[in-house]
Amino acid sequence: EAQVTQNPRYLITVTGKKLTVTCSQNMNHEYMSWYRQDPGLGLRQIYYSMNVEVTDKGDVPEGYKVSRKEKRNFPLILESPSPNQTSLYFCASSLDLTRGNGYTFGSGTRLTVV
Amino acid sequence: EDQVTQSPEALRLQEGESSSLNCSYTVSGLRGLFWYRQDPGKGPEFLFTLYSAGEEKEKERLKATLTKKESFLHITAPKPEDSATYLCAVQAFGNEKLTFGTGTRLTIIP
Repeated sequence: EAQVTQNPRYLITVTGKKLTVTCSQNMNHEYMSWYRQDPGLGLRQIYYSMNVEVTDKGDVPEGYKVSRKEKRNFPLILESPSPNQTSLYFCASSLDLTRGNGYTFGSGTRLTVV
Repeated sequence: EDQVTQSPEALRLQEGESSSLNCSYTVSGLRGLFWYRQDPGKGPEFLFTLYSAGEEKEKERLKATLTKKESFLHITAPKPEDSATYLCAVQAFGNEKLTFGTGTRLTIIP
């Protein structure tokens, strides 16, 4: 089944403790992206990647890191999480955004930082 | 800066009662306007891409239309399973980013 897989689905952590949210897609998609979703603010892009080793900042990149060493994987790293990073996170992939292909989203990771 | 505004925030309809959701946008050169459906606790599910004013696309009870300033998602004779949040997003030429609106939460009452 074609899908984007995120792990974990739920995570509670403490301020300052480094964490990684994994994302993997099995569709050979070029584009991958991370979004966070907050009430009243909608989906906001954190980082995106157009191909292996090519990444760029989205609208809210502060406090996050990403890497794209393989085409299928695009992990999101929080080096020192803070409570304002409590949110619902989505990873997404697309075959070709320049041709209007929509994103396929993962099921989300609900992160709570205390 | 690209902007997307969706209205209403929430809409409750009786089963079979047709209506429309609105997505107003400003973008510097529209490459595509996207509609997604999101169910509680799940990721958004892609519905349509519209590229130019006058374009229409249909899927079951949903029809999306596009003008130069807004898009409408028309829902005809909705069923309870159409209950979800509907998200609109725009992409500008030369930009890999999709800018999303905050969505319309649609509830269909049996």
